[in-house]
Amino acid sequence: DAGVIQSPRHEVTEMGQEVTLRCKPISGHNSLFWYRQTMMRGLELLIYFNNNVPIDDSGMPEDRFSAKMPNASFSTLKIQPSEPRDSAVYFCASSPRAVGNTEAFFGQGTRLTVV
Amino acid sequence: GQSLEQPSEVTAVEGAIVQINCTYQTSGFYGLSWYQQHDGGAPTFLSYNALDGLEETGRFSSFLSRSDSYGYLLLQELQMKDSASYFCAVGAPGQAGTALIFGKGTTLSVSS
Repeated sequence: DAGVIQSPRHEVTEMGQEVTLRCKPISGHNSLFWYRQTMMRGLELLIYFNNNVPIDDSGMPEDRFSAKMPNASFSTLKIQPSEPRDSAVYFCASSPRAVGNTEAFFGQGTRLTVV
Repeated sequence: GQSLEQPSEVTAVEGAIVQINCTYQTSGFYGLSWYQQHDGGAPTFLSYNALDGLEETGRFSSFLSRSDSYGYLLLQELQMKDSASYFCAVGAPGQAGTALIFGKGTTLSVSS
């Protein structure tokens, strides 16, 4: 398996634009996580899905953030409109089991810069 | 709520042994895991403890005490390539499934 695949690897956008980050989890994994990483706040859990269903989105910072998982092999994180403070590295991770599993496999991340 | 505490920085020399501690407060607990992240890279899984005791994987060992809400990662025979950030993470039960919550990370610098 190729691992968790994220795209794009880098994104530079202007404030106010819509940004869509994409993730393909490892085939057969039941859980998918979206994280945001910054120096100040570390790795923040934004939202996670089990079997394509959003379970907890309490980490999503604002209504400008939304995430979907239309099928087991694809998820998106959308920011609309984007702001400079959204600049961060966004990671997607998947894990094999939905319950009791603390081993997650991370994608290479998307480095987002909002100017 | 959930919180994890770990030191922000640790320094050591090649060949030494270093221990990175992690204390946690969560409303539920499945296990404690450790991840390594090199600059510019993605976190990669190192080890997992669900039960009390020591788990050994090569030069790395991880320990858990559930009664103390405490764990540590022990790195032996340090090498320059071990310079990285190390995160502890708690698997905590959510409404359905497991949320994986990370500490802020410990930056390990290994010098020659």
